[in-house]
Amino acid sequence: DQQVKQNSPSLSVQEGRISILNCDYTNSMFDYFLWYKKYPAEGPTFLISISSIKDKNEDGRFTVFLNKSAKHLSLHIVPSQPGDSAVYFCAASVTSGSARQLTFGSGTQLTVLP
Amino acid sequence: EAQVTQNPRYLITVTGKKLTVTCSQNMNHEYMSWYRQDPGLGLRQIYYSMNVEVTDKGDVPEGYKVSRKEKRNFPLILESPSPNQTSLYFCASSPSRGYNSPLHFGNGTRLTVT
Repeated sequence: DQQVKQNSPSLSVQEGRISILNCDYTNSMFDYFLWYKKYPAEGPTFLISISSIKDKNEDGRFTVFLNKSAKHLSLHIVPSQPGDSAVYFCAASVTSGSARQLTFGSGTQLTVLP
Repeated sequence: EAQVTQNPRYLITVTGKKLTVTCSQNMNHEYMSWYRQDPGLGLRQIYYSMNVEVTDKGDVPEGYKVSRKEKRNFPLILESPSPNQTSLYFCASSPSRGYNSPLHFGNGTRLTVT
């Protein structure tokens, strides 16, 4: 049973418009959330994160929103650029014993069309 | 350049033939981890290590071994590979397991077991 779900395997957006990538989770104990971006033939790279005590975090063109009551987070990219075309993974973190456990979603392939 | 280096990038082997995928990081990170990425399943953790000589199972440890004899290296060992271990593998590291320690990933090893 996947605790972190990205229900859209793919998303296409026109250059300059907003990209919205969604992520749902089931474990209410998750207290930290991250987004990673992955280009082909490379490893994922960290993009942005948010603590559960916040509902929004912004970094340039990237904003992550967290709705704890709905157990939902989203990544907004404004404006979208062709270089943003990649697979985006959301991840959720919780403390388990002495370690923090990180659970990833299945990823969303974003294609930004020029 | 700060990086996580995995070798080899591509590996084709036969069932039962022992193999090792190496991982090395030059950032003096305490925490290292191995993930596998499969279609529709995202990144799943195989094993992780909090520090030298400290390793623990992740979500999918069956069929894998690891060792952490020195801080920079964290090899993944498949004693008797099987076709269901055909996957894309990523090694990752971070300074610690804290909130502000996003993972740094290697570029991946694509393994095919026939």
